[in-house]
Amino acid sequence: EAGVVQSPRYKIIEKKQPVAFWCNPISGHNTLYWYRQNLGQGPELLIRYENEEAVDDSQLPKDRFSAERLKGVDSTLKIQPAELGDSAVYLCASSLGGIDYNEQFFGPGTRLTVL
Amino acid sequence: EDKVVQSPLSLVVHEGDTVTLNCSYEVTNFRSLLWYKQEKKAPTFLFMLTSSGIEKKSGRLSSILDKKELSSILNITATQTGDSAIYLCAVGSGSRLTFGEGTQLTVNP
Repeated sequence: EAGVVQSPRYKIIEKKQPVAFWCNPISGHNTLYWYRQNLGQGPELLIRYENEEAVDDSQLPKDRFSAERLKGVDSTLKIQPAELGDSAVYLCASSLGGIDYNEQFFGPGTRLTVL
Repeated sequence: EDKVVQSPLSLVVHEGDTVTLNCSYEVTNFRSLLWYKQEKKAPTFLFMLTSSGIEKKSGRLSSILDKKELSSILNITATQTGDSAIYLCAVGSGSRLTFGEGTQLTVNP
């Protein structure tokens, strides 16, 4: 069974440039999560989707971050414009879903460096 | 605000040693506690503990949930160099996971 797929694996951009990350969850997983992980920290949730609906985006910095999950499968996370403090690993995870179902499977992440 | 605290933040041991990693939490609407292992890539799932399953074991790894003390421990016996990683504790509240900072474990030969 294929795991969560993310691309690109690495991205280096200059500040004020836009950047986008892509995620393909495990087949059949209705719930998709985007996390940001800073160095030496645990992952922090940015947004959670149930199918195509964003049901928890309270920690997404909406002035510069946006996400979409058209058709309830693949998802894209965008930052525009990027700031130096956005340098981090962006992880995508998926799960079978349901309010009590917590087991999440993570992709390899995208390491973003903003210069 | 939900909070998960792990200790120690880092640990260096020799192969063959036994280690105990700690996780304490303060969350509303506790559902489960999960342990993940993270090497230089994605976190990989180890255990999930709930009110109906407070102890799990897999090979040299085992974990216990203490709901009274709001904490969990992860034990690794007969450590190997391949156990070197960051061990993340996460607590599920509804569908949200709140992660601790992780414990960086280094196992030297």
